[in-house]
Amino acid sequence: GAGVSQSPSNKVTEKGKDVELRCDPISGHTALYWYRQSLGQGLEFLIYFQGNSAPDKSGLPSDRFSAERTGGSVSTLTIQRTQQEDSAVYLCASSLKGVGKRTQYFGPGTRLTVL
Amino acid sequence: QKEVEQDPGPLSVPEGAIVSLNCTYSNSAFQYFMWYRQYSRKGPELLMYTYSSGNKEDGRFTAQVDKSSKYISLFIRDSQPSDSATYLCAMSDDYKLSFGAGTTVTVRA
Repeated sequence: GAGVSQSPSNKVTEKGKDVELRCDPISGHTALYWYRQSLGQGLEFLIYFQGNSAPDKSGLPSDRFSAERTGGSVSTLTIQRTQQEDSAVYLCASSLKGVGKRTQYFGPGTRLTVL
Repeated sequence: QKEVEQDPGPLSVPEGAIVSLNCTYSNSAFQYFMWYRQYSRKGPELLMYTYSSGNKEDGRFTAQVDKSSKYISLFIRDSQPSDSATYLCAMSDDYKLSFGAGTTVTVRA
C-alpha cells in the first residue's frame, strides 16, 4: 500500500514569510509525528498526534511553529515568520497505536530553505 | 551532552566486509531501540527494532542492546554497495524517538 506522503518535496521561501507543510499518513495509522532534520542537530521530535487526544507539542521550538491534524488523517505543519535557522528537512511519520507506535514509518520529507 | 551519541563517521569498507555501528545513550528509561537506514534525500527506513536488552538477527543484520552499559550496536555482514547509506540509531521509552546523529557508510565495490 501507499506509504507516508509529504508535500511539497522542496520549498524555498524568503525570511519572514509563512509556510505550510503537508503530511498524508498511511491509511489506518492513528498516530502521526513531525520531526525536523538539520545539519548539526540531527533528527529532533517536534509534535505527536494520537487520535482525538491532545497533541504532545513539547518539541516545537517556538510559538512560530504550529500543527494541526484534520479528521484524524492529514496534518499540516505551519511555520510563521520563517527565519534562516528554520531551514531543514521536515519529516512526517505515522504508526499504529499501542505497541504499534514503536514502528514509525517516515515520509520522504519536505526540504525547506529560508533565504 | 546529547542524550544519544553516535559517531558520524564517515565509514568506508570494501564489499563483503562486516560493518559495525554503535550508539551510547544516557537515559536509562529507554526501552525500545531501533536502527533506521536513510538514503540520500529520502526518509528514514526502519531496519531493526529491539525491546530491552538482547540480540536480534534479520538476514545480514544483527542488532545488540546492552542496557547495563547503555550501548547498542548494529552489525551488517557481507556488506554490499547497496548498503551505502546513513544509519541512524533511535530509542524511546514511549512514542518520542531520540535519534543519534547518524553514521554515513560507504561500501566500495
